[in-house]
Amino acid sequence: DAGVIQSPRHEVTEMGQEVTLRCKPISGHDYLFWYRQTMMRGLELLIYFNNNVPIDDSGMPEDRFSAKMPNASFSTLKIQPSEPRDSAVYFCASTWDANTEAFFGQGTRLTVV
Amino acid sequence: DQQVKQNSPSLSVQEGRISILNCDYTNSMFDYFLWYKKYPAEGPTFLISISSIKDKNEDGRFTVFLNKSAKHLSLHIVPSQPGDSAVYFCACISYNTDKLIFGTGTRLQVFP
Repeated sequence: DAGVIQSPRHEVTEMGQEVTLRCKPISGHDYLFWYRQTMMRGLELLIYFNNNVPIDDSGMPEDRFSAKMPNASFSTLKIQPSEPRDSAVYFCASTWDANTEAFFGQGTRLTVV
Repeated sequence: DQQVKQNSPSLSVQEGRISILNCDYTNSMFDYFLWYKKYPAEGPTFLISISSIKDKNEDGRFTVFLNKSAKHLSLHIVPSQPGDSAVYFCACISYNTDKLIFGTGTRLQVFP
């Protein structure tokens, strides 16, 4: 397996535009997590799914953020409209069991200008 | 509210010496603890973990210690090597949720 795959690796967009980040988890993993990395808060959990169902989205900062997992092999994190303070690195991670280590993708570096 | 804290944003250690990275948590329901290592432009990678039923877990040069009463865990790296230079995150999972909560990270630099 190629690991967790995120796309794009880098995204630069103008304020107000819609941004969609994509993630392909490792096959067979039932859990998928979206994190945002910032200097102040480190790795911040935004939302996680179990068997494609969103379980906890309490970390999603605002209604501008939404996430979906239409099937076991694909998830998206959407920001609409984007703002400069959304600039960060966004990571997707997956695991087969909640009490085991999660495997991370390489991240998407988002810059909103 | 930061449930998992790493109060030292950075640490500098000489090659061959011991590196000690610390992590404090507030949620008494956390029962599984992990350390991740992150190089620039890469995702975090798993390093070592410990269950709440243990107080120590060792894997080669890496040892994690857990003090449940103090709600504190630490990662010891000995001997430290230049390749260990990275950002280290501690992470915690509670038994009543499946959330993996991370600390803010500590940047370790190992110099020759």
